[in-house]
Amino acid sequence: AQKVTQAQTEISVVEKEDVTLDCVYETRDTTYYLFWYKQPPSGELVFLIRRNSFDEQNEISGRYSWNFQKSTSSFNFTITASQVVDSAVYFCALSEALIQGAQKLVFGQGTRLTINP
Amino acid sequence: DVKVTQSSRYLVKRTGEKVFLECVQDMDHENMFWYRQDPGLGLRLIYFSYDVKMKEKGDIPEGYSVSREKKERFSLILESASTNQTSMYLCASNLGTGIHQPQHFGDGTRLSIL
Repeated sequence: AQKVTQAQTEISVVEKEDVTLDCVYETRDTTYYLFWYKQPPSGELVFLIRRNSFDEQNEISGRYSWNFQKSTSSFNFTITASQVVDSAVYFCALSEALIQGAQKLVFGQGTRLTINP
Repeated sequence: DVKVTQSSRYLVKRTGEKVFLECVQDMDHENMFWYRQDPGLGLRLIYFSYDVKMKEKGDIPEGYSVSREKKERFSLILESASTNQTSMYLCASNLGTGIHQPQHFGDGTRLSIL
């Protein structure tokens, strides 16, 4: 069965520090997709990134970067120069195929990130 | 922008009541999903639907049912609410075609069963 583990339950750093959120996954599929979502205090999950298993290039988007390593089944997320607005719960998820073209997301437990001023 | 709207942000109901949670999306998405979110457990899939009137069980369907009479609307029903169904409920939708499209989520409904 698919499984996603986010071992860090809570992280607290001071503004402007860099912080890395870990994500380790298990799957038997050769083709799969990984996602990161952000859940700010308002509650809605905001999509951040999707990565497929064939593309191991690291990705950077502004202060956000993602490191995908198939050899260690990890898809880690780094925020550079953190800001208070980055405070949220972050979820890593693995996409699992269902029927009729639908897929479900298997979520990790989430990491609560607090950025202190 | 995709908009997924859940009818209530907060809801308080009593044990044994029949509870309806409503979700509407405005992007003509084929797939719709209901998850519940509990501390330390992440999000878990309750039910999903890949077309009008089509529904499939997720990982934790017990005590719930769903209805999808129109493409844009997906309802979650608690047949007889119990205290262990107190949780945050999140609705999501995505395109049915293509490859593992991102799911777009509503703001969530925080449901308390007393």
